[in-house]
Amino acid sequence: DAGVIQSPRHEVTEMGQEVTLRCKPISGHNSLFWYRQTMMRGLELLIYFNNNVPIDDSGMPEDRFSAKMPNASFSTLKIQPSEPRDSAVYFCASRQEDYGYTFGSGTRLTVV
Amino acid sequence: AQSVTQLGSHVSVSEGALVLLRCNYSSSVPPYLFWYVQYPNQGLQLLLKYTTGATLVKGINGFEAEFKKSETSFHLTKPSAHMSDAAEYFCAVTKPSGYSTLTFGKGTMLLVSP
Repeated sequence: DAGVIQSPRHEVTEMGQEVTLRCKPISGHNSLFWYRQTMMRGLELLIYFNNNVPIDDSGMPEDRFSAKMPNASFSTLKIQPSEPRDSAVYFCASRQEDYGYTFGSGTRLTVV
Repeated sequence: AQSVTQLGSHVSVSEGALVLLRCNYSSSVPPYLFWYVQYPNQGLQLLLKYTTGATLVKGINGFEAEFKKSETSFHLTKPSAHMSDAAEYFCAVTKPSGYSTLTFGKGTMLLVSP
């Protein structure tokens, strides 16, 4: 079991550019979550998918953020255009039926 | 709505001393509770979780936590700290329903001195 796989591990981009973060959940997990971690706000839920359908996107900061899950094995989080305040570590997690949440290693995003 | 409060953003102990990290939760329904550990530049690793059954839960690396409903607490303990325990620890809560998400506390950084 390779765990939850996120790419890239690090991303440095200029303000205004589009950023796409990728996540491959654990096979068989039917729920997927995107979290953002910052020093000021801690771990915040951005969006939650169940069976590839977005269930709760109330944590998505604004229209510049979008997330998709086209199939059970892949999800993307896109920021367009990016801003310096988007700099954070973005985590993807997937969940088993018994509430075993598994987190990926995260993507550290720096917007300059 | 659910919430988690972790008392103390930093806790310092000596190697070999008792580790106690405090977590209090708020939930409108009986909660499921979790402790995660995060080492520098890494993701979150599950230490232990409480869903139902025995209220004293044992996890990895010698950690355990006890669910106390009357105190709405889920404190994390370890009898003897090791240098390798130095990390940030997060308590989290969810509700046992099909559509539920983890709500995290702000985290407690554990510092272990020799």
